Amino acid sequence: SQTIHQWPATLVQPVGSPLSLECTVEGTSNPNLYWYRQAAGRGLQLLFYSVGIGQISSEVPQNLSASRPQDRQFILSSKKLLLSDSGFYLCAWSVGGGFEKLFFGSGTQLSVL
Amino acid sequence: GQQVMQIPQYQHVQEGEDFTTYCNSSTTLSNIQWYKQRPGGHPVFLIQLVKSGEVKKQKRLTFQFGEAKKNSSLHITATQTTDVGTYFCRDNNNDMRFGAGTRLTVKP
Repeated sequence: SQTIHQWPATLVQPVGSPLSLECTVEGTSNPNLYWYRQAAGRGLQLLFYSVGIGQISSEVPQNLSASRPQDRQFILSSKKLLLSDSGFYLCAWSVGGGFEKLFFGSGTQLSVL
Repeated sequence: GQQVMQIPQYQHVQEGEDFTTYCNSSTTLSNIQWYKQRPGGHPVFLIQLVKSGEVKKQKRLTFQFGEAKKNSSLHITATQTTDVGTYFCRDNNNDMRFGAGTRLTVKP
């Protein structure tokens, strides 16, 4: 069966520090991968998605970046965090093609202080 | 890109009352998905509707897709405290965007 791992679960970082969140998927090949951000009590904002290794599409211009160094690995990074980067970050995967349902990781609660 | 509009934003009900959330779009939806996110948790896929006028049921949950495929609804009959959470709809086209969600709270 397929599983998705996302870590860490919580993270407290000072403003200006770097960020690296990692997400890995097991049990499937060539998944579509996504990073979403959710502000407290708000909806899901799509940040990045990837349909293959090295293929990254950005939805929102910001100081975050994403990379997909391996088929089932998706990394969210920042060189210098801003206060506004605080939020709940969710990684998700889906099978490529139409009618994709998303499977989410357990999320990372990031607090930038 | 086009985003589905979801209403209401919040709904507080007494346990045993019914609850409905709506997703509306000005353009035709390809298909629509519904997710539930428990407080502190991650969204979990509930169902997908594809056909015009489609109705699907999962126990006390009833999902409908409008005839014109421009709206959808999720109705919960006789809410329970386990129904608490935020319900999101998602238009599964290339935009991959979610509605803003409806947060349901249930008073026991």
